[in-house]
Amino acid sequence: SQQGEEDPQALSIQEGENATMNCSYKTSINNLQWYRQNSGRGLVHLILIRSNEREKHSGRLRVTLDTSKKSSSLLITASRAADTASYFCAWTMEYGNKLVFGAGTILRVKS
Amino acid sequence: EAGVAQSPRYKIIEKRQSVAFWCNPISGHATLYWYQQILGQGPKLLIQFQNNGVVDDSQLPKDRFSAERLKGVDSTLKIQPAKLEDSAVYLCASSRWSNTIYFGEGSWLTVV
Repeated sequence: SQQGEEDPQALSIQEGENATMNCSYKTSINNLQWYRQNSGRGLVHLILIRSNEREKHSGRLRVTLDTSKKSSSLLITASRAADTASYFCAWTMEYGNKLVFGAGTILRVKS
Repeated sequence: EAGVAQSPRYKIIEKRQSVAFWCNPISGHATLYWYQQILGQGPKLLIQFQNNGVVDDSQLPKDRFSAERLKGVDSTLKIQPAKLEDSAVYLCASSRWSNTIYFGEGSWLTVV
C-alpha cells in the first residue's frame, strides 16, 4: 500500500494540553503536508514542510520531518475545543506531484 | 480568491444508477485531483490531471468510473453503474505544480 501510517488512531485530551500526532510514509518525498477535517467538511490545509526542512512553525502548530526515518509529527500546543477534528498527513511523492494521504488521527479536545 | 467549487454536495442513488460530480478548481491552478474518501479512512487518489491531460489514474476503477477535464479547467467525475461500495465523499482539489493543494467541500454519495 502507498499509504503510510498515522498514530495514534484516536486521541482524547483536555483543553490546554498539547496534542502530538505522528505520521510515517514509505517513499521519497518532495514535501509533506498536514490537513484538518472537521466532521462533514472538506480538508483544510494547515502546514507544508519541504523535504529539505526539519522543523516548521505556524501559530500553535509545530511540524517536524525526519526523512531518514520517513516520519513526521504534528504538535498542537495549548489545544482548544475547536481543534477537535481529524488530522491527516499527506506527502507529495518525489516524482509526479502525487499527494498520498495517511489514515488520519481523530483528535477530541474536551472542555 | 474563490475556493474549489463542487456540486452537488449530496446525492443519494440506487445501485446500478449513474451519477456525475462537477468541480471548478481555483483559477490558474493547472493540477486537478479527484479523491475518494470512505468514512473513517484517508482520501484515496482516483485521478490527477495536469491541464487537460491525465497524470495518474492508476487507482481509478475504469470499468465504472470516468473523468474528464474540459479545456483544462472544469472537471466531471462519473460513476456508472454505481455499487454500494461507492458510497463515499468525492473530493476535488487543485494546485499549482508542487505547491499547496486546496480541497473543495466534497460531494457526498450514498448508494442504496
